[in-house]
Parts: sequence; structure tokens; C-alpha cells
Amino acid sequence: KAGVTQTPRYLIKTRGQQVTLSCSPISGHRSVSWYQQTPGQGLQFLFEYFSETQRNKGNFPGRFSGRQFSNSRSEMNVSTLELGDSALYLCASSLVGGDSSPLHFGNGTRLTVT
Amino acid sequence: AQSVTQLGSHVSVSEGALVLLRCNYSSSVPPYLFWYVQYPNQGLQLLLKYTSAATLVKGINGFEAEFKKSETSFHLTKPSAHMSDAAEYFCAVSRSNDYKLSFGAGTTVTVRA
Repeated sequence: KAGVTQTPRYLIKTRGQQVTLSCSPISGHRSVSWYQQTPGQGLQFLFEYFSETQRNKGNFPGRFSGRQFSNSRSEMNVSTLELGDSALYLCASSLVGGDSSPLHFGNGTRLTVT
Repeated sequence: AQSVTQLGSHVSVSEGALVLLRCNYSSSVPPYLFWYVQYPNQGLQLLLKYTSAATLVKGINGFEAEFKKSETSFHLTKPSAHMSDAAEYFCAVSRSNDYKLSFGAGTTVTVRA
């Protein structure tokens, strides 16, 4: 079974631009969540989707948004990029979420903002 | 709000020695507890999880963790370190219908030959 796939793996953007990251969950998994990983703040929760509905959102500004499609694939968007948005963005999937089922993580998208 | 504290941001062990990584959580109700490992330039891989079935949990690669409610701890151990254990380890907690994991700051393990 294929794992969680994130594209692209690396991205370089300029301040003020916007970016869209993509995530394909494991087949059959309907819950997709996103995390930001930085050396200073560690791993922080961004948001979680199930059946195209956002069920939880972390403490991030409105520039960070996401969505989920009917096939469970998900995208996250960051608008008006800032230098501090440079991070590894990790997508994770699980069967239904909200229970003891572990999250399965992709290898992440490394975003660098210059 | 739940929080997770990992004691020690960096641990160095000799090959063959015991690996002990400490994790304490704050929660009025025992949460779901997880240990993940991250190798360079990769995502997180599940080592093991606690969901109240048994206090001693065995995971992959010879790791195990013991849940101690009285100490609100979930420490990770491995009896004999291998060079391939060099990585960053994260303790995480979640609650039913929380839809998110709260992670500790991570502990980087280096293994000396």
C-alpha cells in the first residue's frame, strides 16, 4: 500500500508570494491533517480535515488555509508568505481521526521563503 | 490544554548501551500516547502507542515504553542501542475527538561507536 505522498518535496518562494502544497493520503484514509515543523517552534498542528470538513484548526493566522477533496486528497495554501513561514510542512493521514489510530506521515514539503 | 514535556533535547549513548528517553504529559484524563521517530529529511514514523490496553507497550525496532499514570510519564527505552537508532524522537499525545497530536520538543539521539 502506498504511503502518504506530498508534493513538491522542496519549494523556494519569495516574500509576499503564495504557495499551495499537496497531500495524497493512504488509500482508504479519510482524515488528513497538516503540521508545521521548525527548529524554533517544533511540530505545530495546522488543521485537520475529514470528508471535506475542517474539524480542528491550530493557532495560525488566516494566511494559512486548507481544503480536502472528495477523494480525501488535501491541499494547504499559504498566502502573503513571510520569512518565518520557512519550515517543513508535514501531512498525515489516518482512517477516521479523533481516535487512537496513529497518524501516518508523509516525507514533507520543505518550504524556503527568501 | 494538553502538553508534553521531553526531558533532554539531546542524548548521546554508546552502541550497545541502554537508550532512555523521558516524556511527561499533563492531562487530567490519560490520553492516547505515542512515540514517533524522525530520520533526516523524512517524515515521522510511529514507534509505538499507548491506548490503555496495557501499561508496557512494545514497539518496532526493539523499543518499548511504560505508561505510569501516577507519574504522568511515558518513557521510551531500548536495551541496546544500535547505530541506526540515531534520529530524533518525539513523544505525542491526543484525546478522543481532538483530531490533533500535541508533540513534545523532541530528543535527538546520537550513538557512539
